[in-house]
Amino acid sequence: QKEVEQNSGPLSVPEGAIASLNCTYSDRGSQSFFWYRQYSGKSPELIMFIYSNGDKEDGRFTAQLNKASQYVSLLIRDSQPSDSATYLCAVNARDDKIIFGKGTRLHILP
Amino acid sequence: DAGVTQSPTHLIKTRGQQVTLRCSPKSGHDTVSWYQQALGQGPQFIFQYYEEEERQRGNFPDRFSGHQFPNYSSELNVNALWLGDSALYLCASSLYRGRDEQYFGPGTRLTVT
Repeated sequence: QKEVEQNSGPLSVPEGAIASLNCTYSDRGSQSFFWYRQYSGKSPELIMFIYSNGDKEDGRFTAQLNKASQYVSLLIRDSQPSDSATYLCAVNARDDKIIFGKGTRLHILP
Repeated sequence: DAGVTQSPTHLIKTRGQQVTLRCSPKSGHDTVSWYQQALGQGPQFIFQYYEEEERQRGNFPDRFSGHQFPNYSSELNVNALWLGDSALYLCASSLYRGRDEQYFGPGTRLTVT
């Protein structure tokens, strides 16, 4: 059974600090990795995707992938109250099924 | 550029009834995937349609079926509704089976009473 694991939180981070969200996956053959943000009552919104080992930066967001450790993370710099949401990690396994974690609730403290 | 659209927004059905949900993908996308999201959970993959065929399926019973039309839009049908089918149903579109990023529609909130 392919799995994607995330700490459910809530993760509380002071405004202006760095929020660090983590995700592990079980299928070593997984090809692509995604982070989605989901506000309560809304659908998921894609914020980052990464395919290769290393870091990918987009504005205040950095995704980090380590395939050897089967680990992907998301860093949010200069956290804002509007970043308070649930962050979903998703993995495209080798059979093209996309598996989501249960999400981490992030709360930015003003 | 129109994003992913879904209809209806909300739906209330009774146990045993059947429901059809609809999705139009983002312009230029050819693949539609359907997900079920229960409260407090991540989206669960139901199935994926590409070139009008079901290409992948998650662990959902045959009561869940779908269709993709030549214009890439898609329907999700659920027969013999259970109370446990109450959830947010999400449609996501992508290019070529979702190996690149996929984008979600606003979802359909289904309540089964």
